[in-house]
Amino acid sequence: NAGVTQTPKFQVLKTGQSMTLQCAQDMNHEYMSWYRQDPGMGLRLIHYSVGAGITDQGEVPNGYNVSRSTTEDFPLRLLSAAPSQTSVYFCASSYSYRVGYTFGSGTRLTVV
Amino acid sequence: TQLLEQSPQFLSIQEGENLTVYCNSSSVFSSLQWYRQEPGEGPVLLVTVVTGGEVKKLKRLTFQFGDARKDSSLHITAAQPGDTGLYLCAGMGGGSNYKLTFGKGTLLTVNP
Repeated sequence: NAGVTQTPKFQVLKTGQSMTLQCAQDMNHEYMSWYRQDPGMGLRLIHYSVGAGITDQGEVPNGYNVSRSTTEDFPLRLLSAAPSQTSVYFCASSYSYRVGYTFGSGTRLTVV
Repeated sequence: TQLLEQSPQFLSIQEGENLTVYCNSSSVFSSLQWYRQEPGEGPVLLVTVVTGGEVKKLKRLTFQFGDARKDSSLHITAAQPGDTGLYLCAGMGGGSNYKLTFGKGTLLTVNP
């Protein structure tokens, strides 16, 4: 049982490049979310999903896209990377919106 | 956007001391969760409280949800160096609001 798996763990991008952060869970959880964590800002919600085919915006969605074609996977796409997107990104999943989330170990992204 | 204010932001204490961390909001939450995060890792769920006035104990940790479901506290008895970490509270909105909003966290250091 791997839980929530995020890849890659580290990534350096040049401004304007695009990339996809991968997130996969093997717990058959319906609820999945993407957060970014910045010093002094806490965890901020980017996008979330309540099931396959259903996604919605969080607090800071600009510059990011998501899709949920399967229950297991919830990739986060950076369309055109900017230095302001330098952050640590966490994916999380849960089987119920009233129960706590299981987090991945994060992707540390630097945009230069 | 539902805001959660955590206090204190930083806390440095000696082993054996007691401490309380607070999480306050002007919004009502359907559930409130507490997480602990260590450097380089994702947050790990400690507890979820869902009923106003609810008290949950996890060994030396006591969690309380306010009667009005707007605030929560975490009390640690006889803190140990292993309790060191970032403590985060997170609230889930009611109704069809499935967004989990985090406070900025309390960084606890327990000195031996």
